[in-house]
Amino acid sequence: DAGVIQSPRHEVTEMGQEVTLRCKPISGHNSLFWYRQTMMRGLELLIYFNNNVPIDDSGMPEDRFSAKMPNASFSTLKIQPSEPRDSAVYFCASSATSGYTFGSGTRLTVV
Amino acid sequence: SQQGEEDPQALSIQEGENATMNCSYKTSINNLQWYRQNSGRGLVHLILIRSNEREKHSGRLRVTLDTSKKSSSLLITASRAADTASYFCGRDDKIIFGKGTRLHILP
Repeated sequence: DAGVIQSPRHEVTEMGQEVTLRCKPISGHNSLFWYRQTMMRGLELLIYFNNNVPIDDSGMPEDRFSAKMPNASFSTLKIQPSEPRDSAVYFCASSATSGYTFGSGTRLTVV
Repeated sequence: SQQGEEDPQALSIQEGENATMNCSYKTSINNLQWYRQNSGRGLVHLILIRSNEREKHSGRLRVTLDTSKKSSSLLITASRAADTASYFCGRDDKIIFGKGTRLHILP
């Protein structure tokens, strides 16, 4: 199994641009999580899906952020428009019955 | 809250020594999990302990759980340079992580 696959690994974009982060969970895992990590705020849970349905998006910072999971093998996190304060490492994780498997993350820099 | 709080925030020990990190939580749990994060990487699941277990071992890792005190500890025995990382605890589903414990193993 290739694990949780995130793309891109690095993204540098200008303020105001749309950013789309992608995640492919492990096949058979029915839960998917998006986290954001910064030095100041640590690891924050943004949203999680169960069986492709968003269960809790209370961690999504504002309306500029949106996440979708059109099928069991793909999820996106979109920021539109992006701002410098969105710069962070964004992690996707999936799980089945116990334990999370994390992807390698996307390092986003908004300039 | 399903957040775990790790303690201490940072820990530096000599290679070969044992490292102990603690985790406290506020409400009842079904299970508690420990994760490791190397710099610039995602978290890696280390071990899960269920609420009806008191101790669990995995290689050089030993996890204890005291549900009466709502706390858990992670012991790494005979530490190695490769153990240098941040360690996080989380409970149940929809894990909300704390700031973690930054462990630094000195050569």
